[in-house]
Amino acid sequence: QVELVQSGAEVRVPGASVKVSCKTSGFTFTSSGITWVRQAPGQGLDWMGWISGFNGNTNYAQKFQGRVTMTRDTSTTTAYMELRSLRPDDTAVYFCARRGDYGDYQADWGQGTLVTVSS
Amino acid sequence: DMQMTQSPTTLSASVGDRVTITCRASESVGTWLAWYQQKPGKAPNLLIYRASTLENGVPSRFSGSGSGTEFTLTISSLQPDDFAIYYCQQYNTYPCIFGQGTKLEIK
Repeated sequence: QVELVQSGAEVRVPGASVKVSCKTSGFTFTSSGITWVRQAPGQGLDWMGWISGFNGNTNYAQKFQGRVTMTRDTSTTTAYMELRSLRPDDTAVYFCARRGDYGDYQADWGQGTLVTVSS
Repeated sequence: DMQMTQSPTTLSASVGDRVTITCRASESVGTWLAWYQQKPGKAPNLLIYRASTLENGVPSRFSGSGSGTEFTLTISSLQPDDFAIYYCQQYNTYPCIFGQGTKLEIK
């Protein structure tokens, strides 16, 4: 079955960077894509962008452009999301998700990684 | 950016009720719309994609309809497990934004 297992919770000070990993299994990684979505405490879902498992092409939401980098390692079927210049309002649970077979919806999700930004 | 607006924000209902949640897009998204259910402390779960296609394993009491700018998610007979937050998402254009969510609570 499809599984996405994310790295553990992180605490960072403002201005630092964080890199979250998403180890996948149960599907053909290079035929799919991985989307990153975040959710601030008590808030809704915020689409950050996605990366193609096939060629590594990315599309980022404009609000994260210049601060986010999504990468993948096809040998380990793992996706990564790095967010830089962290601010307290970046405190959120970050989810990775497998792109749907028929479009850019999110078919399967990781368990989420809490990133806390605080001085 | 496009906007996705759900209504109502909160919906109080009882087990066995039929409920409908509406999602409106600020511009046409065709039928490129998905619905998710999220429970506290958990990742969202895909219910419907392409506006009306039920994801495998999702109970048939869930259904979706609509096209263009107006969509609905209907639960035909609420079960205790259905009390959660529901989100719509358009995936016609980037960014694939979500609605703000509808909390379905027990009356």
